[in-house]
Amino acid sequence: AQKVTQAQTEISVVEKEDVTLDCVYETRDTTYYLFWYKQPPSGELVFLIRRNSFDEQNEISGRYSWNFQKSTSSFNFTITASQVVDSAVYFCALRLYNDMRFGAGTRLTVKP
Amino acid sequence: DGGITQSPKYLFRKEGQNVTLSCEQNLNHDAMYWYRQDPGQGLRLIYYSQIVNDFQKGDIAEGYSVSREKKESFPLTVTSAQKNPTAFYLCASSVRGSTDTQYFGPGTRLTVL
Repeated sequence: AQKVTQAQTEISVVEKEDVTLDCVYETRDTTYYLFWYKQPPSGELVFLIRRNSFDEQNEISGRYSWNFQKSTSSFNFTITASQVVDSAVYFCALRLYNDMRFGAGTRLTVKP
Repeated sequence: DGGITQSPKYLFRKEGQNVTLSCEQNLNHDAMYWYRQDPGQGLRLIYYSQIVNDFQKGDIAEGYSVSREKKESFPLTVTSAQKNPTAFYLCASSVRGSTDTQYFGPGTRLTVL
């Protein structure tokens, strides 16, 4: 069975701090895709990144970076120099063909 | 502007009534999906459709129904058989099914009075 665990329910940081959101997944398949989405207070899920299981290269996009480690089945997300606008719920998701599994989400609050 | 629209944004229903949530996309995507989100939880798949006139049940299809008569539209009906329908409903689409990235609409918050 496929499963995604986001153990951090809520995180609170002060602006300009770095913060890492953890994501651990379970699957027996060798081909799969991992995603991160941001859900601001408006409710819409905003796509951030998609990664396939054969590409373990870390990725950086501005203040965002992702660390994919197959050995530990983790796909962690780091925000550098956090800003108030980063406050949202962040979801990690695992996709195999037509089966998409979401974690429970991590609520990030960035205080000014 | 291309995107996914959902209407209405807020919906109130009396117990025992059916209600239909609208989802439209102009992205020319083949696949569309309906998810349910409860407070403090992740998203759970209700139904998905990979092509017109075809759809499959997700994990929590009981009490829901869908249709896919047009590529652009994938309405969801919440029937009176759904025991606990109060939730946030999100529609998504992707170029194709399988492993393509899903893009989401703004959601509809349904409250049963």
